[in-house]
Amino acid sequence: EDQVTQSPEALRLQEGESSSLNCSYTVSGLRGLFWYRQDPGKGPEFLFTLYSAGEEKEKERLKATLTKKESFLHITAPKPEDSATYLCASHGGATNKLIFGTGTLLAVQP
Amino acid sequence: EAQVTQNPRYLITVTGKKLTVTCSQNMNHEYMSWYRQDPGLGLRQIYYSMNVEVTDKGDVPEGYKVSRKEKRNFPLILESPSPNQTSLYFCASSSLRDRPNYGYTFGSGTRLTVV
Repeated sequence: EDQVTQSPEALRLQEGESSSLNCSYTVSGLRGLFWYRQDPGKGPEFLFTLYSAGEEKEKERLKATLTKKESFLHITAPKPEDSATYLCASHGGATNKLIFGTGTLLAVQP
Repeated sequence: EAQVTQNPRYLITVTGKKLTVTCSQNMNHEYMSWYRQDPGLGLRQIYYSMNVEVTDKGDVPEGYKVSRKEKRNFPLILESPSPNQTSLYFCASSSLRDRPNYGYTFGSGTRLTVV
C-alpha cells in the first residue's frame, strides 16, 4: 500500500537552531515528492517538488533532499515566521494521486 | 490572481440539512479534488475530477456527492450531513500537464461543524 510517514509529529526550535524534518515514503513508481507549508486555518502552500534520488532544492532557509526511501526538509537558522505545519506528499504509484503525510508542526521560538 | 476559491469559509449546520460547499478555480485546470483534514489523519481525498463530467471516488467518499458541469466549478454536496462529517475541507486544482511540477493549488478551506 502506498504510504507517506512524517516525523517528528511536532518540533520546537529556538530561533537560529537548525534541524531537519523527515518524510518516509513507500510508493511504487514515484513521479514526484512534494513539500507544502500550511499555516493554521489555511490551505497548504506549495514549496518544492523532487523527482529523483539525489535531487536537492532550496528556498531561503529551506532545503529539500530526496533519497529512494526518504525526503528531508532541512531548516537552516529558522526564524519565528517559519513556524507552520510542513506536509509531505507523494505522487505516483497505483493510484496516481497525491498521498499526504500527517505533517510536522514546527514552532520556532524567538 | 490565480486562485482556488471556496465558500463559505465557516459553516455550522444541523444533522440532516443538505448543504453545498462551492469551489471555483480561474486557472483553467482540468483536475480538481476535494480533501478533508482531521487531526492525526492528515488530508484524505473525498472525490476528484479529471475533467468536465468526469468524477471518481477518493478514499473517503461516503456521505458526499460532487458534480463537474463546468471546468471551473466543482461543488461538494452533503445530502444529509452527520456529526462525523465535521471537519476542515479543502478544494484543490491542478493542470494535468503540469501536475508533476507544481502539485496542487489549494483553496483557503471550509470549516464545517455539524451538530
